[in-house]
Amino acid sequence: NAGVTQTPKFRVLKTGQSMTLLCAQDMNHEYMYWYRQDPGMGLRLIHYSVGEGTTAKGEVPDGYNVSRLKKQNFLLGLESAAPSQTSVYFCASSYSMGTDTQYFGPGTRLTVL
Amino acid sequence: GENVEQHPSTLSVQEGDSAVIKCTYSDSASNYFPWYKQELGKRPQLIIDIRSNVGEKKDQRIAVTLNKTAKHFSLHITETQPEDSAVYFCAASSTGRRALTFGSGTRLQVQP
Repeated sequence: NAGVTQTPKFRVLKTGQSMTLLCAQDMNHEYMYWYRQDPGMGLRLIHYSVGEGTTAKGEVPDGYNVSRLKKQNFLLGLESAAPSQTSVYFCASSYSMGTDTQYFGPGTRLTVL
Repeated sequence: GENVEQHPSTLSVQEGDSAVIKCTYSDSASNYFPWYKQELGKRPQLIIDIRSNVGEKKDQRIAVTLNKTAKHFSLHITETQPEDSAVYFCAASSTGRRALTFGSGTRLQVQP
């Protein structure tokens, strides 16, 4: 039982490049989330999904897109990376809604030059 | 929407002392208050949570208190140890809300 995994662990992009971050969970959770973590700003919600085929915007969605084609996977895309998107990205999942334990992945450190 | 403020941003204590981290929230409908611990370079992990039907919850050296009237909740760590050094995040949510709102984090350093 791997829990929540993220791919890749590290990535360096040039401004304007695109990339996709993959999150996978094997706990049969309905809810999945993408956060970004910046120094002094805690965890800010980018997008989330309440089930396969559904996505919704969080607190800081601009510049990102997501997809949830399979229940176990949640993809975060950056179409045209900007230096302001340099951050650590965490994926999380939970069995039910906001009052349930969230399980986090190990994170992806992204640097945009 | 919900807004969670967390204080202090950094906290340094001597080993064996107690540490207290405080959070306030804005939405009176919030009824779930978890605390996550994040060690350096690691993922956040839930350490304790409290729901609005109780005022205090303990788990060994860790306790959380909730004051719904004042809309604040606190994390108490007693007999601190060097392995308690980490960033601690509070959060708030409510039944029907689809995500947690996190505080900005407190970096706790326990000096041996």
